[in-house]
Amino acid sequence: EIVLTQSPGTLSLSPGERGTLSCRASQSVSSSYLAWYQQKRGQAPRLLMYDASTRATGIPDRFSGSGSGTDFTLTISRLEPEDFAVYYCQHYRGSRGTFGGGTKIQIK
Amino acid sequence: QVQLVQSGAEVKKPGASVKVSCKASEYTFTSYDINWVRQATGQGLEWMGWMNPNSGNTGYAQKFQGRVTMTRNTSTNTAYMELSSLKSEDTAVYYCARGRWEAPLLLEYWGQGTPVTVSS
Repeated sequence: EIVLTQSPGTLSLSPGERGTLSCRASQSVSSSYLAWYQQKRGQAPRLLMYDASTRATGIPDRFSGSGSGTDFTLTISRLEPEDFAVYYCQHYRGSRGTFGGGTKIQIK
Repeated sequence: QVQLVQSGAEVKKPGASVKVSCKASEYTFTSYDINWVRQATGQGLEWMGWMNPNSGNTGYAQKFQGRVTMTRNTSTNTAYMELSSLKSEDTAVYYCARGRWEAPLLLEYWGQGTPVTVSS
C-alpha cells in the first residue's frame, strides 16, 4: 500500500509570498493519479488539482502542480488571504484511496 | 449543480452502530461512485471505502473491514454508511464524496459532513 508523506507539516507565510508544498510517495505512482485538496476550517475539502498538474474547475491559476514518480509539488505563486488552509495530497488509482497527512499554511 | 446532503449529527454509545445518509441530487446517481472519508478533530483525512450505486459493489479500507457497510437506495438517490461496534476513536466528521466517472476515487463533490460522537 502506498504511503504519502507531506512536508512541511506547517508553513508560516505572509500574503503575497510563494508557497511550496511537498508530497512524497513510498513507491512510484503514476502522475495521472495524484490529486490535491484544500480544506478550510469548518468546511469540507475541495478538489484543487488532479492528474498532478490539472486544475479543477474554478481554481485560479496561482495554483500549480508538478512532479512525477515519488515526488510531487503544489505551488501557490502569491498567497491570497483565502489560501490559508490545510492542503492534502491523494493517490486515487486502483481500489483504495490514500491521503497524505496534510500541510497547514498559516499566516506569519 | 451537484449536491450531496448528509444527515445530521449523531451521538452514540460505545458498542453501538451509526448509519449516516448522503442524498444526491442534480446528477444521475447510479453513474458515479460514492466514497466515504472521515476526519477526527484536528486530524487528517482518512478514506474509508467506496460504493458503486449502480451495482452495489463496494470496496473498504482494510482498517474498517468487518465493521463498515455501504449501501444505497436508488429510488431515493441516497447512499448510506453504517459503522458498527463503535469506539471512542470513531468520533469524527464523516463525509460522503462523489468520484469522477473516469476516476472513481477522485473526489470532485463533497457532502457537508456529519459529526459522530461516541461517548458513554
